[in-house]
Amino acid sequence: AQSVTQLGSHVSVSEGALVLLRCNYSSSVPPYLFWYVQYPNQGLQLLLKYTTGATLVKGINGFEAEFKKSETSFHLTKPSAHMSDAAEYFCAVSEGDDKIIFGKGTRLHILP
Amino acid sequence: DTGVSQDPRHKITKRGQNVTFRCDPISEHNRLYWYRQTLGQGPEFLTYFQNEAQLEKSRLLSDRFSAERPKGSFSTLEIQRTEQGDSAMYLCASSPDNGGNTIYFGEGSWLTVV
Repeated sequence: AQSVTQLGSHVSVSEGALVLLRCNYSSSVPPYLFWYVQYPNQGLQLLLKYTTGATLVKGINGFEAEFKKSETSFHLTKPSAHMSDAAEYFCAVSEGDDKIIFGKGTRLHILP
Repeated sequence: DTGVSQDPRHKITKRGQNVTFRCDPISEHNRLYWYRQTLGQGPEFLTYFQNEAQLEKSRLLSDRFSAERPKGSFSTLEIQRTEQGDSAMYLCASSPDNGGNTIYFGEGSWLTVV
């Protein structure tokens, strides 16, 4: 069964600094991979996803992620953090036509 | 496209009472998912439907929980004899199908059992 591990339940970065949120997955078949963002008291919003093709995926709000099969990773990055990026971020995986499984999340704090 | 709609957004109930949540997916979305989320945790999969067929139920879905999607459109999630441990946000999501398609979430229904 597929699973997701997000390293670091809380990450703090200074405004303007690089954002790196780590995600490793387990899947028995080529996975579909997702990053979602959740603001307080709201549902989840898709940031980006990898299905097939180019392994570097660009998403909304300047975020991007790279699928590395050899490392079973799908880390999320953003070159320069903004205060508005403070939120909870979830990595997720699905196998083929199966359900989507989420990680436990990483709360991103932006320091002024 | 009005998005995924959930009702009610907040529910406070006494332990032992039954509660029902409704989800209206994006029109023409065949897949409908229910997840549960507690504070500081990621969404935990509960169950999902392909049209009216319930394809899978998580072991988290005890016999007090029942979900239906009778006509392949809206869905209901009922919790019978609620317990304090049921307090959580119940998220509904929909997608055209899976196979890498994005699933779109509603705003969630908060349940507090007192």
